[in-house]
Amino acid sequence: NAGVMQNPRHLVRRRGQEARLRCSPMKGHSHVYWYRQLPEEGLKFMVYLQKENIIDESGMPKERFSAEFPKEGPSILRIQQVVRGDSAAYFCASSLRTGDGYTFGSGTRLTVV
Amino acid sequence: DQQVKQNSPSLSVQEGRISILNCDYTNSMFDYFLWYKKYPAEGPTFLISISSIKDKNEDGRFTVFLNKSAKHLSLHIVPSQPGDSAVYFCAASEGANFGNEKLTFGTGTRLTIIP
Repeated sequence: NAGVMQNPRHLVRRRGQEARLRCSPMKGHSHVYWYRQLPEEGLKFMVYLQKENIIDESGMPKERFSAEFPKEGPSILRIQQVVRGDSAAYFCASSLRTGDGYTFGSGTRLTVV
Repeated sequence: DQQVKQNSPSLSVQEGRISILNCDYTNSMFDYFLWYKKYPAEGPTFLISISSIKDKNEDGRFTVFLNKSAKHLSLHIVPSQPGDSAVYFCAASEGANFGNEKLTFGTGTRLTIIP
């Protein structure tokens, strides 16, 4: 039973390009969460999705960031026109409403040059 | 506004001794608390949690204590082992039925176990 899979592990983008981060939740999990960790900081909530629905996007920047979790396929976090300040580790997690906490993926480290 | 605070960025403990990691919170609506462990280049791994209706939860070498009146929780690891060296994050949720609620994380404490 594979865990939460994120790809790519590392992503380098030039300023102004688009970044697409993918997350496949654990088998049977229909709840997906995206978090961002800036250097020397804790993880900050970005968005919570269920299949085809955004439940809570209170942590998403108002511009350039979007997320989706289609009926088929992985969840995608898209960052348009990246800037240096977007450089961070982006973690995806999934849950099955067990009350035991999320299962996190290994993250995607985005570097904007 | 840092609602979950881990005021010790780092902690070094001798192998075999007790490690105590502390966490304070300011949001009175938090009612579920979790500790995660994180190795470099990996995602956080769930360790142990506690609901606000309890003041202690134990799982093997790990025990979490919650003092609601002081808005303080702590993680005790005893005995400490070299494999415990990692960054530990405290996290809190407003959802009593955790499993679909967002978490607010502290900034982490880097624990180093000295052989």
